[in-house]
Amino acid sequence: QSALTQPRSVSGSPGQSVTISCTGISSDVGGYNYVSWYQQHPGKAPKFIIYDVSERPSGVPDRFSGSKSGNTASLTISGLQAEDEADYYCCSYAGSYTWVFGGGTQVTVL
Amino acid sequence: EVQLVQSGAEVKKPGESLRISCKGSGYTFTNYWIGWVRQMPGKGLEWMGIIYPGDSDSRYSPSFQGQVTISADRSIDTAYLRWNSLKASDTAMYHCVRLSGWHYDLWGRGTLVTVPS
Repeated sequence: QSALTQPRSVSGSPGQSVTISCTGISSDVGGYNYVSWYQQHPGKAPKFIIYDVSERPSGVPDRFSGSKSGNTASLTISGLQAEDEADYYCCSYAGSYTWVFGGGTQVTVL
Repeated sequence: EVQLVQSGAEVKKPGESLRISCKGSGYTFTNYWIGWVRQMPGKGLEWMGIIYPGDSDSRYSPSFQGQVTISADRSIDTAYLRWNSLKASDTAMYHCVRLSGWHYDLWGRGTLVTVPS
């Protein structure tokens, strides 16, 4: 059970869009529509922002969106804002009530 | 308030045992799986394992199977993570998390475990 693959960092200017990829295999990302995304600001606990690939919980701005194609899921942040600067982690169900996280992506707002 | 309250930071010696706790409140504790997530200093999140407090059914990541034990006491709405013999490489922040559907909707603030080498 290897960690899902994410880019180590992405950056963008305020107002731009950035997309974070999350690549797994057919027995995790590719096998289930149970990918979730978590945002973590420094020194804070993570907070879920996307679940079931593309569902957004109440209170999360609609500039956050998720999608999946094959073994790769993606998180897009549209209209980047300063407060979006944080670490982002994907997580996928991997069968038999086990899960796997991605390595994390640092988002920098230039 | 719906929350997971974790026990305080620990500093232990290599070879010592340790059990940290996670108490759920504001919801029916036995209706939700509780998981544990490790975050080593400056590193990412790692899924360790999960337990259903209703019947103590538990599952582990292969990376953590045999290294830790996850348990729960439903009478006091508390889940535990235990080590029998700590190593310096166990130094990390440990978060307990609540499973809702297929994602983790509630996170504890974390328990920092330090094992100086």
